[in-house]
Amino acid sequence: EPEVTQTPSHQVTQMGQEVILRCVPISNHLYFYWYRQILGQKVEFLVSFYNNEISEKSEIFDDQFSVERPDGSNFTLKIRSTKLEDSAMYFCASTKGFGEQYFGPGTRLTVT
Amino acid sequence: KQEVTQIPAALSVPEGENLVLNCSFTDSAIYNLQWFRQDPGKGLTSLLLIQSSQREQTSGRLNASLDKSSGRSTLYIAASQPGDSATYLCATETGTASKLTFGTGTRLQVTL
Repeated sequence: EPEVTQTPSHQVTQMGQEVILRCVPISNHLYFYWYRQILGQKVEFLVSFYNNEISEKSEIFDDQFSVERPDGSNFTLKIRSTKLEDSAMYFCASTKGFGEQYFGPGTRLTVT
Repeated sequence: KQEVTQIPAALSVPEGENLVLNCSFTDSAIYNLQWFRQDPGKGLTSLLLIQSSQREQTSGRLNASLDKSSGRSTLYIAASQPGDSATYLCATETGTASKLTFGTGTRLQVTL
């Protein structure tokens, strides 16, 4: 069964460094998302992406964040200069446009 | 702004019991409601999706109901098993392929 994949599973970085989190959505899906979950808190929406552009973003998704679909399969989230408070589990999700959103296993980002 | 609340926050039941998890939301103008399961440190597994026009949806031992007008959904788990132990999340979607707004989750433990 097709699934969303994410790499790496765990990323440790120092404050101020750039990180890129990678996702491969399900191949025939058209809408892509990033969410994050800080330990012990709710899953929060960051950004949605459709037709090669951002369709919606939250207040969390400031100028330090960017997303890209560099080719036909990958979907990336870049954090330009990481802060301690960026430490969280980051989830990628995709959907055809109707029906369920399917989530990847997540990337645990630890900023030291 | 949509707020999603889940009660109880935690629940412990003996194996074999039937149980109900509750989800409430403040904005009844939803498009879909999705129930997820999250195991510790893992991603989100979609369990059921109820469209706004539906009243309930069933999958195996799981049954989810939706009452849009009162802003409530319930997830009924029949004959609980230790393998059902996980955190259960509900999430609402307010438009086609729009962002999901998540609840706080119910942490379920099923004991032998």
